[in-house]
Amino acid sequence: QVTLRESGPALVKPTRTLTLTCTFSGFSLSTSGMCVSWIRQPPGKALEWLALIDWDDDKYYSTSLKTRLTISKDTSKNQVVLTMTNMDPVDTATYYCARGQGGYPTRFDYWGQGALVTVSS
Amino acid sequence: QSVLTQPPSVSGAPGQRVTISCTGSSSNIGAGFDVHWYQQLPGTAPKLLIYGNTNRPSGVPDRFSGSKSGTSASLAITGLQAEDEADYYCQSYDSSLSGSVFGGGTKLTVL
Repeated sequence: QVTLRESGPALVKPTRTLTLTCTFSGFSLSTSGMCVSWIRQPPGKALEWLALIDWDDDKYYSTSLKTRLTISKDTSKNQVVLTMTNMDPVDTATYYCARGQGGYPTRFDYWGQGALVTVSS
Repeated sequence: QSVLTQPPSVSGAPGQRVTISCTGSSSNIGAGFDVHWYQQLPGTAPKLLIYGNTNRPSGVPDRFSGSKSGTSASLAITGLQAEDEADYYCQSYDSSLSGSVFGGGTKLTVL
C-alpha cells in the first residue's frame, strides 16, 4: 500500500525559508523509474507543479521558481525534502507530494493529503 | 495563466455525457507528451483518473475516458452521477519549460 504524508510548519513569516518533508511508504525511491514530486495549490486556485526528484537523484524544477527551490531525498528514511526560500504571502497554498513512476516525465499516481502553509507576519 | 487551457466550468444533468477539453501547444501536447487527468473532490487531494491519454487506473469506472488529438486532449464522462461533481485537471509535460504543467482546472456541476 502506497502512502505519502507531508509535514512542515503551518505558518511561515515572509522572507523566511520553508522546509517541507514528504514521508512515504509502500515503494522505494531507489527503484528504477520511481520519483517524487511537489505540487502546490493556492486556496481556490489551480494546481502548480514545483519540483521532482527521481531514483537516480536527478532533479527538475519549475522554471519560474527554480531559484528558490531545492529538492533532496533520503532514501534510507523514505523521505523527500523541499525547501523554498524567501517566502511571500502569495506562496500561501496547500503543498502536496506525489509519486510518479516509469521515469520522468510521468503522471502522479499517489498523492499525500496535503499540508496547508500560510505565509503571514 | 496556465500553459494548458481548460474551460472554467461545465455542467450536465444526471445520466448525461459531458466532455472537458484541454488545449495545449506544440511544446507540450502537440509534441507528443502524454496527457493525464485528475479528479479533485471538494477538500481532498487530486486523484489520478486517466493516464497516458486513454488509460484508466484500476478502480476508475469506465464511464471516464480520455482522448488526444493534435494539440488538445479531452476527458469524457458518461452516465453522469452526483458523485462526479468535482474539479478536473489535465497534466502534461512542456519541453520549453522543461517541466510538468497543469491545466487551470474545470469545475463540473451535476445539475
